[in-house]
Amino acid sequence: ETGVTQTPRHLVMGMTNKKSLKCEQHLGHNAMYWYKQSAKKPLELMFVYSLEERVENNSVPSRFSPECPNSSHLFLHLHTLQPEDSALYLCASSQGTTGREQFFGPGTRLTVL
Amino acid sequence: AQKITQTQPGMFVQEKEAVTLDCTYDTSDPSYGLFWYKQPSSGEMIFLIYQGSYDQQNATEGRYSLNFQKARKSANLVISASQLGDSAMYFCAMREGVGAGSYQLTFGKGTKLSVIP
Repeated sequence: ETGVTQTPRHLVMGMTNKKSLKCEQHLGHNAMYWYKQSAKKPLELMFVYSLEERVENNSVPSRFSPECPNSSHLFLHLHTLQPEDSALYLCASSQGTTGREQFFGPGTRLTVL
Repeated sequence: AQKITQTQPGMFVQEKEAVTLDCTYDTSDPSYGLFWYKQPSSGEMIFLIYQGSYDQQNATEGRYSLNFQKARKSANLVISASQLGDSAMYFCAMREGVGAGSYQLTFGKGTKLSVIP
């Protein structure tokens, strides 16, 4: 595997389900990010982890819970979501938080019924 | 005010022709970086090109070049010799500042480019 991978690629869940999104980066980076991309809206930064410590939480509802067990892995735990949470969730990584480009994974297309 | 403005929701270009995608930005920070990403229908955001606010020359990467006009606060992407595989959404983004905490990328709403055979 190379770059940034995300699983699953597609997820359909009910509002009472609990699920997790997984992101793994194979680039040796030490910063990881979760973004939300809704239809017709710009990408929204949700969480930032640097050296496995959360450095940003952009007023994200508590039904989204991130976890970064090590510098290569990032999870987004989901519970009691709402239909408006349906979106493409993108993970990214970079070398440091002030590095130049962020490298993105292919995303997880989430549908909440 | 929006920090990144992309005024073209959609663009069409003939294969092998050049196309310019517009981006204007708004910041009072003297240090910033400007990025262009490509997002095919598969969803992955692919980094294309970067321009730093202090860079003297316009950035170029293969068929991509960034027309950086600092006084006008514009950072248009020029794609030369368009190919069918260039059909995708294109996003302009900005990072303000260079110190700790300057990790946040602010994205525009994107331009959908369609290359016509």
